[in-house]
Amino acid sequence: GAGVSQSPRYKVAKRGQDVALRCDPISGHVSLFWYQQALGQGPEFLTYFQNEAQLDKSGLPSDRFFAERPEGSVSTLKIQRTQQEDSAVYLCASSLDRVPKVYTFGSGTRLTVV
Amino acid sequence: GQQLNQSPQSMFIQEGEDVSMNCTSSSIFNTWLWYKQDPGEGPVLLIALYKAGELTSNGRLTAQFGITRKDSFLNISASIPSDVGIYFCAGLRSGSARQLTFGSGTQLTVLP
Repeated sequence: GAGVSQSPRYKVAKRGQDVALRCDPISGHVSLFWYQQALGQGPEFLTYFQNEAQLDKSGLPSDRFFAERPEGSVSTLKIQRTQQEDSAVYLCASSLDRVPKVYTFGSGTRLTVV
Repeated sequence: GQQLNQSPQSMFIQEGEDVSMNCTSSSIFNTWLWYKQDPGEGPVLLIALYKAGELTSNGRLTAQFGITRKDSFLNISASIPSDVGIYFCAGLRSGSARQLTFGSGTQLTVLP
């Protein structure tokens, strides 16, 4: 597609459930990022892929968060045993370049943990 | 996590007025980006700055990359109702880091 596509747009999970969030980057984009945006805040970095390699996962808040991009295109962010503090918008961004200069964001997945 | 210091946090202005917002940091950045985010959407890039001192325009928007590389500002001239939204600055550090560091946002409201 023309843009970065994320699904689902909204997800409500009961505390303790596992969730999987999907990101379809722009075709051919090498770099892919996941960000977490809490209400009223700017996005915060979670993890970065270059093709299928996860080069930086320093922003993942706990070992309950896991991301993968097995074929270097679609990426999945998985959160295990969700907690209320995981409630946020999860944004995916992609870039054509290995050294990104232009980042295109998706519309995000709003996760609410009840 | 660390975020850039962005101000003001919110602004209420009359249609037709000019707007200015800025971001500062204690760290040096090699790239400054300005995004606009509408409700329920992801951030959309407005202006990108890649050199210290650079002044770049995009229509009614003008942004500058501070000479010290620790700050940037965004001006919007002759505001219109569709300028309403949240504006974020974002910086990219030197070195191997590829991720953006964002400000906390400026909520802009344009009154008719």
